[in-house]
Amino acid sequence: KAGVTQTPRYLIKTRGQQVTLSCSPISGHRSVSWYQQTPGQGLQFLFEYFSETQRNKGNFPGRFSGRQFSNSRSEMNVSTLELGDSALYLCASRLTGAEGDTQYFGPGTRLTVL
Amino acid sequence: GNSVTQMEGPVTLSEEAFLTINCTYTATGYPSLFWYVQYPGEGLQLLLKATKADDKGSNKGFEATYRKETTSFHLEKGSVQVSDSAVYFCALSDRGGSYIPTFGRGTSLIVHP
Repeated sequence: KAGVTQTPRYLIKTRGQQVTLSCSPISGHRSVSWYQQTPGQGLQFLFEYFSETQRNKGNFPGRFSGRQFSNSRSEMNVSTLELGDSALYLCASRLTGAEGDTQYFGPGTRLTVL
Repeated sequence: GNSVTQMEGPVTLSEEAFLTINCTYTATGYPSLFWYVQYPGEGLQLLLKATKADDKGSNKGFEATYRKETTSFHLEKGSVQVSDSAVYFCALSDRGGSYIPTFGRGTSLIVHP
């Protein structure tokens, strides 16, 4: 099976712009989660989507939003970018049920805000 | 709430040395425990997991035992290689809750030839 894929792998934006990141989960995985990874804060949970509905949400401002499509692919959007949004954004998918405790991560999108 | 504490790095070892990375956790239920590894420029990969007390997870020469009495899940490897250089994350997932994992801060391992 193909793993979790994320596009693009690298992005450079300027303050005030918006950005959309894309994630395709492993086939059969209906849950997709997004994380922000920075040297200072480590791995922080953004949100989780399941069957096109946001099921869990971390402690991030409303500038961070997401959605999931009927094929389980997910997008994450950040509006009005700030310098502090520079980070590695990781997407992870998982099964539901008994094996649902394991997250499978994509390679990440490296966002740099100038 | 749930939390994971792991030893701060970097951990610097010579090739073939013994590795231990300590991890302790706090959880209200009976979580599953994980070690993930992140190589430079990549996302996290599952290294091993254990789902109940006294279970031992193992993979690629790495091992960790779920110790409920000490709330620990220490990662060990008998002989590290240069290719093991990476960041290692301990995590827990509450199987009775949201399944959203709680991660430790990560421990950087540097192995010298």
